[in-house]
Parts: sequence; structure tokens; C-alpha cells
Amino acid sequence: QVQLVESGGGLVKPGGSLRLSCAASGFTFSDYYINWIRQAPGKGLEWVSYISGSGGAVHYADSVKGRFTVSRDNAKNSLFLQMISLRAEDTAVYFCARGMSANDWFDPWGQGTLVTVSS
Amino acid sequence: QSVLTQPPSVSGAPGQRVTISCTGSSSNIGAGYEVHWYQQLPGIAPKLLIYANSDRPSGVPARFSGSKSGTSASLAITGLQAEDEADFYCQSYDRGLGAVVFGGGTKLTVL
Repeated sequence: QVQLVESGGGLVKPGGSLRLSCAASGFTFSDYYINWIRQAPGKGLEWVSYISGSGGAVHYADSVKGRFTVSRDNAKNSLFLQMISLRAEDTAVYFCARGMSANDWFDPWGQGTLVTVSS
Repeated sequence: QSVLTQPPSVSGAPGQRVTISCTGSSSNIGAGYEVHWYQQLPGIAPKLLIYANSDRPSGVPARFSGSKSGTSASLAITGLQAEDEADFYCQSYDRGLGAVVFGGGTKLTVL
């Protein structure tokens, strides 16, 4: 079945770095945009970034631009989010989710991975 | 402050009908961008409930329906059941921001 599984979350100090991964299965990975969406504890959803199927198009929310970098390895059906200069406000569960285009719906979502930025 | 505005909470008794509004502007919903809805059960990832304003993915009961008019959209749930208790989010695209935007979420309580 179509599935996305995130990994790589954890506790990191302010100013630190972390790399999240998203493993895909059950569909032709390179045909789809993949997005990162985050949810701070007790808060709503915030779109973070997308990358096109080929990897040629990427886009970021203003809140992470210049600090986060999204990439993908289509040969390994994997997506990555490199996060640097992390701040307390980046603390959230990070979800990867599949879409057909830059403004499409997201389906399915992964189960999420928790990133905690704290000293 | 979310770009799309939803009521923080709604409630209804089992069997009743509830609606959740999602209000945007001329740069997102009013510009013709589609609205999508997600249901998030406690502690679980969001699940697509309605896409392209009013379409239901396979497996989503017909009790859930969506509509869009002008700068707003609505999610209606009929025949409310205890297991419908969850957070609901609307999503669209904003051409001014050049980004996907979400509503702030609505908590549905089944009385």
C-alpha cells in the first residue's frame, strides 16, 4: 500500500542541526511532489516545504527559508529535510505528505517524527 | 493568525448535522484555488477527508461533504457519530504568499 515513513527526529540544542528522512513505498516515487508539514505541540498545521518529482522545483515557507533544505533520492525512494540553525519555534512533529503538484491536496501523510529544540 | 479562518470549536449530539466554515480571501479561495479538508484524530497524522472542494476519497463516508462559494468553504458532517470527534483542517493555496495555507483547525466535540 502507499506509505510514507519519517525518521530522524530527536532533541537538539538551539542553533543545532538535524536531518529528517521520509521513506516512500507503494507508488512511483518520482511521479509525485512531496511536502513537509509541521505541527507544533497543541497547535495547527504549518506547511514547510515541497520538492517536485524530479527535484527540479523546491519551495519553502518564509519561516524556514535559508535554514532548511529539501532534497530527494528517487533511486532510493527517499526524501530528506536538512535543518540548520534550529530555533525553539521549530519544535514540532514533522510530517511528509504526497501531492500531485505545488498546490494539490496531501495524501497520504506519514506518521510524523518529533523534533524538539531545547537547551 | 492563520490565512484561512476556522471556528476553534463546534459541537453536536450524535445523529445531528454540523458544519465547519473556512473563510479566506481573494488571494486564495476567492482566486479559484481548491479547498481540501483533513481529519486528525488524537495523536494520529491528518487524513484526507475532502479534496477539490467537494470530492471524497475512497473509503470516506458520504456523511462528510464539502462545498465552496466565493471566498469561503464549508465541511458538513451529517449523522454525527462519537468516532467523528477530531480536529478538522481546511487547506488551500495563496497566490500572494505563493504557498499552501491551512486553517487554524476546528475541534469537533460529539456531546
